[in-house]
Amino acid sequence: QVQVVQSGAEVRKPGASVKVSCKASGYIFTSHGITWVRQAPGQGLEWMGWITTYNGNTNCPQKFQDRVIMTRDTSTNTAYLELRSLRSDDTAVYYCARVDHGIHAFDTWGQGTMVTVSS
Amino acid sequence: EIVLTQSPDFLSVTPKEKVTITCRASQNIGSSLHWYQQKPDQSPKLLIKFASQSISGVPSRFSGGGSGTDFTLTIDSLEAEDAAAYYCHQGSALPWTFGQGTKVEIK
Repeated sequence: QVQVVQSGAEVRKPGASVKVSCKASGYIFTSHGITWVRQAPGQGLEWMGWITTYNGNTNCPQKFQDRVIMTRDTSTNTAYLELRSLRSDDTAVYYCARVDHGIHAFDTWGQGTMVTVSS
Repeated sequence: EIVLTQSPDFLSVTPKEKVTITCRASQNIGSSLHWYQQKPDQSPKLLIKFASQSISGVPSRFSGGGSGTDFTLTIDSLEAEDAAAYYCHQGSALPWTFGQGTKVEIK
């Protein structure tokens, strides 16, 4: 079945970087994009960006453009999100999800990765 | 950036009641509006796509409507398992955005 499985929880100090992985299975990896969404404790969903897996093109909101790097490895069907210069307000659950290319709905979600930023 | 505003923020509802959540977009997004359900301590789940298209496996009591700037998510005959937060999301124009969410509590 279609699924995306994320890497485990991470703890980082302010100023450090974190890299979260998202491994896809059950479908042709390059036929769907992967998007990243985060959710701070008790808050709503925040869109962080997406990567078109067939060519590696990325797009993210301006607020993340200096700190977010999205990549993918088509040999392992894995997408990655790297967030740099971490701050305490980056503490959140980070989700990846498969993107329906035609209408940009997020149709399959990962289990989430908790990233805690604390000194 | 397209802003999505949901109303209400919170609902406390009795089982079997009908629930309607609205999502208003700050500009015309056609039908590029999707709804998600997030139960406590779970990942979000796609509920309705493209404003009104049903998703396989989602109970038929969930339906969506609207186009342009005004959209609705309706739950006919609410069940206890529907306690969750509901989010709208627009895929019309980058950056994609979410509504702030509506929390549905069961009385």
